[in-house]
Amino acid sequence: QVQLVQSGAEVRKPGASVKISCKASGYTFTSHSIHWLRQAPGQGLEWLGWINAANGNTDSSQKIQDRVTITRDTSASTAYMEVIRLTSEDTAVYYCTRGADGSSWSDLDFWGQGTLVTVSS
Amino acid sequence: EIVLTQSPEFQSVSPKEKVTITCRASQSLGRSLHWYQQKPDQSPKLLIRYASQSFSGVPSRFSGSGSGTEFTLTINSLEAEDAATYYCHQSSNLPRTFGQGTKLEIK
Repeated sequence: QVQLVQSGAEVRKPGASVKISCKASGYTFTSHSIHWLRQAPGQGLEWLGWINAANGNTDSSQKIQDRVTITRDTSASTAYMEVIRLTSEDTAVYYCTRGADGSSWSDLDFWGQGTLVTVSS
Repeated sequence: EIVLTQSPEFQSVSPKEKVTITCRASQSLGRSLHWYQQKPDQSPKLLIRYASQSFSGVPSRFSGSGSGTEFTLTINSLEAEDAATYYCHQSSNLPRTFGQGTKLEIK
């Protein structure tokens, strides 16, 4: 069965960086895109960016694009998202989710369990 | 960026009743609109893809309709387990966007 397993909770100080992993199993990793989203406490869902797992092309939200890097390791069927220069406003649960195909416009059909990132001094 | 506006933002409904949630888009999406259910402390789950296609394993009481700028999620014969927040999501344009959510309470 399709599974996306994310790395564990992180605590960082303002100004630091964090890198979250998302290990995929149960399907051909390069046949689907991976998207990253986040949800601040008590808030809705915010899309951060995506990666074409086949060719590594990425795109991200203008709001965060100067601070986020999305990569993948096809040999490990794992996607990564790094966010730098963290502030308290980055405190959120971060989700990876699978695109139903390799395009940028597919629905998001399977989700990771979420990774809580807390930014606090 | 495309703005999605859901209504209502909160609804309290008795079991076995019918619920309708609307999602309006600031520009045409064709049918590239999807619905998700999120229960407390859980990841969102896909319910309906491309406006009206039920995702595998989703109970038949969930259905979707619409195209262009107006979409509807309908839950027939509500069950206690349907208490959750529901989000619409567009994949027509980047950046992807979501509605603000509709919290559904079961009386």
